[in-house]
Amino acid sequence: QSGLTQPRSVSGSPEQSVTISCSGSSSDIGDYDYVSWYQQHPDRAPKLIIYDVSKRPSGVPDRFSASKSGNTASLTISGLQADDEADYFCCSYAGGYSYVFGTGTTVTVL
Amino acid sequence: VHLVESGGHLVEPGRSLRLLCATSGFDFDDHAMHWVRQVPGKGLEWIASINWNSDTIAYADSVKGRVSISRDNAKKSLFLQMNNLRPEDTALYYCSPTWEGSGGVYYFEYWGQGTQVTVPS
Repeated sequence: QSGLTQPRSVSGSPEQSVTISCSGSSSDIGDYDYVSWYQQHPDRAPKLIIYDVSKRPSGVPDRFSASKSGNTASLTISGLQADDEADYFCCSYAGGYSYVFGTGTTVTVL
Repeated sequence: VHLVESGGHLVEPGRSLRLLCATSGFDFDDHAMHWVRQVPGKGLEWIASINWNSDTIAYADSVKGRVSISRDNAKKSLFLQMNNLRPEDTALYYCSPTWEGSGGVYYFEYWGQGTQVTVPS
């Protein structure tokens, strides 16, 4: 049950795009189309922004998009805004009611 | 959906603690329930899951043998019994439901505010 690997931080200027990678294995990301992404602002609970690899919950802007290839998932934030500055975590179902989270990425808006 | 975690506090290493997640606003017995923890300033860690009728339970390796997840569907409540606590168990503990109908869902849409467990070193 190793954690999924994410870059520690990414940054971009307003209106630019940033992409966060999430590297797993054939036992999690590679085996299930159940990757989700969470945004977390300081001292707040995580917020679901992507589920089932690429689906957005109601109310999440289409500036957030995601995909998966093999054992790696990716989240792209387009048209970066100040409020996007937060921590982002990926998560994958890993079978048998178990899950694994990513190590987390801090997005900084320059 | 309303989730309220409680029971966390400062506890000496080796002692035990029981966390509670009180729920409302959804059909509790149609949902699996999960505990996820977060070390302050660090990442999220899934630690335990229980299906709707308690016949399937899973634990993360980091807590296996020291924690026990359970639920009371009549009281719409989820529990986490934590034994032999270690300093590395210091974290904010969240509960979250996942719907089990029609193939189920595999993401955590709803979160409580968490309950803080602190185990000094």
